[in-house]
Amino acid sequence: AQRVTQPEKLLSVFKGAPVELKCNYSYSGSPELFWYVQYSRQRLQLLLRHISRESIKGFTADLNKGETSFHLKKPFAQEEDSAMYYCALRLRNQGGKLIFGQGTELSVKP
Amino acid sequence: DTGVSQNPRHKITKRGQNVTFRCDPISEHNRLYWYRQTLGQGPEFLTYFQNEAQLEKSRLLSDRFSAERPKGSFSTLEIQRTEQGDSAMYLCASSLDSTSAETQYFGPGTRLLVL
Repeated sequence: AQRVTQPEKLLSVFKGAPVELKCNYSYSGSPELFWYVQYSRQRLQLLLRHISRESIKGFTADLNKGETSFHLKKPFAQEEDSAMYYCALRLRNQGGKLIFGQGTELSVKP
Repeated sequence: DTGVSQNPRHKITKRGQNVTFRCDPISEHNRLYWYRQTLGQGPEFLTYFQNEAQLEKSRLLSDRFSAERPKGSFSTLEIQRTEQGDSAMYLCASSLDSTSAETQYFGPGTRLLVL
């Protein structure tokens, strides 16, 4: 069955520290993975997608098919990074629906 | 604002009442999705439309739930005989069908509380 797992519900770091938000997936097909972010009182918005291999707001994520992971990383966290982060798996052969993880709340302290 | 919009933003109802939510997608988007999110969980897929055709419904969508997308534009999600377990945030997303990693754009959600 398709599944996305984010093992940490809350991750708390100090400003300037490195951040890694973990995401593991279970899928027999070719995965398409995304990171969505939700800032306080805002809507869910796309942060990264693996196919683009881009860096957004200093965040990067590499798809590791061997470890079935798509961890989100940033070398130096900023206070404005505090938000809920959701990892999502897109099922292309099922209409493109997204399977989300439970989310990780990132708190960056001054 | 040209993003996805949802109305109402909040709805409080009594158990047993019917409620209807509306989603207006980004105008050129042909795919429209509904998700439900409960406290402490990520969004869960409910159903999706390609233009006006409803192509998949999750097992989460009991027969009390119905969704429509007349003319392939806005969509409505109706819940009949609401139960307390229906309390959740209902999210709508739209996308432009493409062959590679299409992006879904989300609305602000409708928060439902069933008393």
